[in-house]
Amino acid sequence: QTMVTQEPSFSVSPGGTVTLTCGLTSGSVSTSYYPSWYQQTPGQAPRTLIYSTNTRSSGVPDRFSGSILGNKAALTITGAQADDESDYYCVLYMGSGIWVFGGGTKLTVL
Amino acid sequence: EVQLLESGGGLVQAGGSLRLSCAASGFTFSSYAMRWVRQAPGKGLEWVSTFSSGDNTYYADSVKGRFTISRDNSKNTVYLQMNSLRAEDTAVYYCAKGSIGKTYYFDFWGQGTLVTVSS
Repeated sequence: QTMVTQEPSFSVSPGGTVTLTCGLTSGSVSTSYYPSWYQQTPGQAPRTLIYSTNTRSSGVPDRFSGSILGNKAALTITGAQADDESDYYCVLYMGSGIWVFGGGTKLTVL
Repeated sequence: EVQLLESGGGLVQAGGSLRLSCAASGFTFSSYAMRWVRQAPGKGLEWVSTFSSGDNTYYADSVKGRFTISRDNSKNTVYLQMNSLRAEDTAVYYCAKGSIGKTYYFDFWGQGTLVTVSS
């Protein structure tokens, strides 16, 4: 069974740039998987950041961007801020009504 | 303003049943797919089920045959009937609004309701 992979954790300095990735245990991620990204802080519901690979959801700052890098989807945060410290999840649409989330990346800003 | 309000969570013994509800407002409910996503304590997000705007239903393998999703467009509410509950079903269950057209994402999320299954 194909799984979606994400880095378990990442750290970035305030003002720095970080790229989180979203891959497959078998095959490559393409735009056909409609990758989307969500931010979640402890005790809160997820917040939609990016959909359809690179479209920012309403109200999301432009320091968040999405892309395909090589064989993975990617979320890049440019100019990281303290309140970007969160868990980040990607999800891929596998077709036939099936969705698979990655395990999430815990981002630390320090 | 879009609002999703889940209810129905609680403590249940293994093998028992529970029905979750998600009351929606602020959008044309019948035009959108509605989904359930869960998050076990300290774990990541897991898609559970979808009820499409076209009346199709979909389930994760982990719940297939035990959970049933339904919707009542007259009440702007989606439900998740959970039977034969297991300890591993313990999680916060989120209701999420589907996206329009061929964009395929989780557009808006409710605050979640906690289900605890005791073994």
